[in-house]
Amino acid sequence: AQSVDQPDAHVTLSEGASLELRCSYSYSAAPYLFWYVQYPGQSLQFLLKYITGDTVVKGTKGFEAEFRKSNSSFNLKKSPAHWSDSAKYFCALEASSSFSKLVFGQGTSLSVVP
Amino acid sequence: NSKVIQTPRYLVKGQGQKAKMRCIPEKGHPVVFWYQQNKNNEFKFLINFQNQEVLQQIDMTEKRFSAECPSNSPCSLEIQSSEAGDSALYLCASSLTRANTGQLYFGEGSKLTVL
Repeated sequence: AQSVDQPDAHVTLSEGASLELRCSYSYSAAPYLFWYVQYPGQSLQFLLKYITGDTVVKGTKGFEAEFRKSNSSFNLKKSPAHWSDSAKYFCALEASSSFSKLVFGQGTSLSVVP
Repeated sequence: NSKVIQTPRYLVKGQGQKAKMRCIPEKGHPVVFWYQQNKNNEFKFLINFQNQEVLQQIDMTEKRFSAECPSNSPCSLEIQSSEAGDSALYLCASSLTRANTGQLYFGEGSKLTVL
């Protein structure tokens, strides 16, 4: 079975600092990996995806993520962080045979303080 | 701003009552998904379909949940007999293709409270 783990429920950092949100996955085959963001009162919004190819993928809003097969991780990064990045972030995995059905992690709530 | 429109945003039902939620997918998206997000931010896939055809659904969905996407009408998710454990945010999402791209467009959700 596939699973996604986001070990940090909450992350707080200062504006201008570098952010890195952790995500690890479990899947026996090649995964498709995604990051979504949920701002307060808004819907989930797509940030970026890794399908194949370059291990560093760039997305919207200045975010990027690095896929590391060696430790089954797909961490989200941005530098510098801005207060408007405060939101809940979800990592997700799509098994290659699942018709776009996503398995989500528990989410990381990010607070960027001035 | 989301282009997937879900109504109602909130609904409150008593146990045993029917609960119905609607979703208008993004224009031109033939694939529609329903997910349940509980208070612990755990997502549960419920059902997806392409146009009017069901692609996948979980066992729970087959018993008390029903969903449809009729032609030229909003998609809907209905719980025939609500239970307290059904209290959650129900998210509708749409996609341009059922191929493995995974980029879903989500609505803001319908928050169901079962008393």
